[in-house]
Amino acid sequence: QKEVEQNSGPLSVPEGAIASLNCTYSDRGSQSFFWYRQYSGKSPELIMSIYSNGDKEDGRFTAQLNKASQYVSLLIRDSQPSDSATYLCAVLNAGNNRKLIWGLGTSLAVNP
Amino acid sequence: GAGVSQSPRYKVAKRGQDVALRCDPISGHVSLFWYQQALGQGPEFLTYFQNEAQLDKSGLPSDRFFAERPEGSVSTLKIQRTQQEDSAVYLCASTPSPKPETQYFGPGTRLLVL
Repeated sequence: QKEVEQNSGPLSVPEGAIASLNCTYSDRGSQSFFWYRQYSGKSPELIMSIYSNGDKEDGRFTAQLNKASQYVSLLIRDSQPSDSATYLCAVLNAGNNRKLIWGLGTSLAVNP
Repeated sequence: GAGVSQSPRYKVAKRGQDVALRCDPISGHVSLFWYQQALGQGPEFLTYFQNEAQLDKSGLPSDRFFAERPEGSVSTLKIQRTQQEDSAVYLCASTPSPKPETQYFGPGTRLLVL
């Protein structure tokens, strides 16, 4: 079992809909969680970080964290075609070495 | 200021050839990370520097891979005797502090080993 798991997709939603992306992790001691967006042929860019249970909202993006169930999700409201990309979930290793453990990413396609 | 830069952007190597990949982090950034990303995969951690100290090299896949950051700024990832399985995008990221969460990525070097 990979340490960070995501559905590879593709997830296809119509323009204006809510896109829901999910991620589960195995290290119960993990404290920091991140969502990165990666356009094809480009490098990842950070869009959300979350550290506490509950919801964190930033514009059209909402990250949700449930440490008891070991999952973190990303909701994108009013999805736009420009949101079409791969979304990578990353979890900070709960040790001293400070490395991020990455999921494989979920491919999102927003259809006009 | 300028972001993280990497060179070359593309590299084609013959199997067995040595390659050197360069990363220029954002000026003043303390931490530097190297990742390997295969097609359709997420980034895989290779190694981590805090200033000039290589604090973690547990992700380097073999002793053919070597990384250095001698003056705590520019870093070089060297791959000796390249193999086809080394073909991937090599990403460099830097952060202003020892904390890794605010990672700023470079554009990557796409390596193809024939």
